[in-house]
Amino acid sequence: GAVVSQHPSWVICKSGTSVKIECRSLDFQATTMFWYRQFPKQSLMLMATSNEGSKATYEQGVEKDKFLINHASLTLSTLTVTSAHPEDSSFYICSARVGLLEKLFFGSGTQLSVL
Amino acid sequence: SQELEQSPQSLIVQEGKNLTINCTSSKTLYGLYWYKQKYGEGLIFLMMLQKGGEEKSHEKITAKLDEKKQQSSLHITASQPSHAGIYLCGATPRQAGTALIFGKGTTLSVSS
Repeated sequence: GAVVSQHPSWVICKSGTSVKIECRSLDFQATTMFWYRQFPKQSLMLMATSNEGSKATYEQGVEKDKFLINHASLTLSTLTVTSAHPEDSSFYICSARVGLLEKLFFGSGTQLSVL
Repeated sequence: SQELEQSPQSLIVQEGKNLTINCTSSKTLYGLYWYKQKYGEGLIFLMMLQKGGEEKSHEKITAKLDEKKQQSSLHITASQPSHAGIYLCGATPRQAGTALIFGKGTTLSVSS
């Protein structure tokens, strides 16, 4: 099946710094990728929809200036957490769809810890 | 807003026993997906259901979608320790091509 690669798997950073997370579709082109956030023992919450070549669509309550999304190519989307704070600590996971009604493949996720 | 309710929230079964996890929506779904996750790791795709009344099986796991496309169940037969994890149902509520929304998950533990 299709593979979505996410990097890094985990990152620890100081408060105030920015962190970039990459999501790559390895064997298919993904015009749309999705970014989710997950807190311990909770479900995945959609943050934004990343569209290749255009601006991302953010869900209500998600700060677009805080969570910068760039989808510059058909195989790469990046999420940058700017000026990270401890409350941004979470598990971030990306996904990509193959076709409109096909499976949604997920990356392995990134555990972010902000000190 | 669209919500998916999953039940039970957690489940402990003895190895070899059968179990069922349910996922319910208040609105008709365009597609229903089942994933397995170990917390802190990615999601493993299990099955996708699109048609009312559809049923799919893979090894010892069977998923069904009701005729109204509002409720799905995931059934595991003769559970094994390898089945332990978090099971998430996800759905495309509005139209094809949109993101999935997820239920809160069911944590399954299998005791040997």
